[in-house]
Amino acid sequence: EVQLVESGGGLVKPGGPLRLSCITSGFSFNKAWMSWVRQAPGKGLEGVGRIKSKADGGTTDYAAPVKGRFTISRDDSKNTLYLQMDSLNTEDTAVYYCATATRGFPDWGQGTLVTVSS
Amino acid sequence: DIQVTQSPSTLSASVGDRVTITCRASQSISDWLAWYQQKPGKAPKLLIYKASSLESGVPSRFSGSGFGTEFTLTISSLQPDDFATYYCQQYYGFWTFGQGTKVEIK
Repeated sequence: EVQLVESGGGLVKPGGPLRLSCITSGFSFNKAWMSWVRQAPGKGLEGVGRIKSKADGGTTDYAAPVKGRFTISRDDSKNTLYLQMDSLNTEDTAVYYCATATRGFPDWGQGTLVTVSS
Repeated sequence: DIQVTQSPSTLSASVGDRVTITCRASQSISDWLAWYQQKPGKAPKLLIYKASSLESGVPSRFSGSGFGTEFTLTISSLQPDDFATYYCQQYYGFWTFGQGTKVEIK
């Protein structure tokens, strides 16, 4: 069974950093392209970024609102995906999901809430 | 970035109704389009990928069609469990989602 479990969310002050983790199991993580998606309270889904498998170059792409502030990385030895978020602002308040990226996004975690507030 | 526009934003329907949601892309995306269902407090669930392929385990009353820039999700006979919000997503370029369509009880 595929499982993705996010952690690391919480309350952070504007301008502060936060790192999210997504521990996975049940599939070949090292072969998977992975993504982060967020959803602000009462709003729709927004793609944050993605990382390709190392076999496909391991490169990353980011949505315009987070480019230069967020960094996605992976540790294939730990089957874990990361999202490093710096210079957070109130517009970054959202539930953050990790998801596999194959035929669309077939598998999702339960999400972790990030609240940016003073 | 490729934009995707969904319509309508809200849809009121009754159990048994045939329901259609439309998604338009700002440029051709071939058939690289997916549809998701999301219920409050839950992660989205993949229904359709590659415009018309039904994800395993999804009831056959859900179907997708389209190519290029125009796509539709159809629910042939709306069931009580289908009242939810639906999103389309293009994955031709960097992934972007439509704004969502909330299917409400009429």
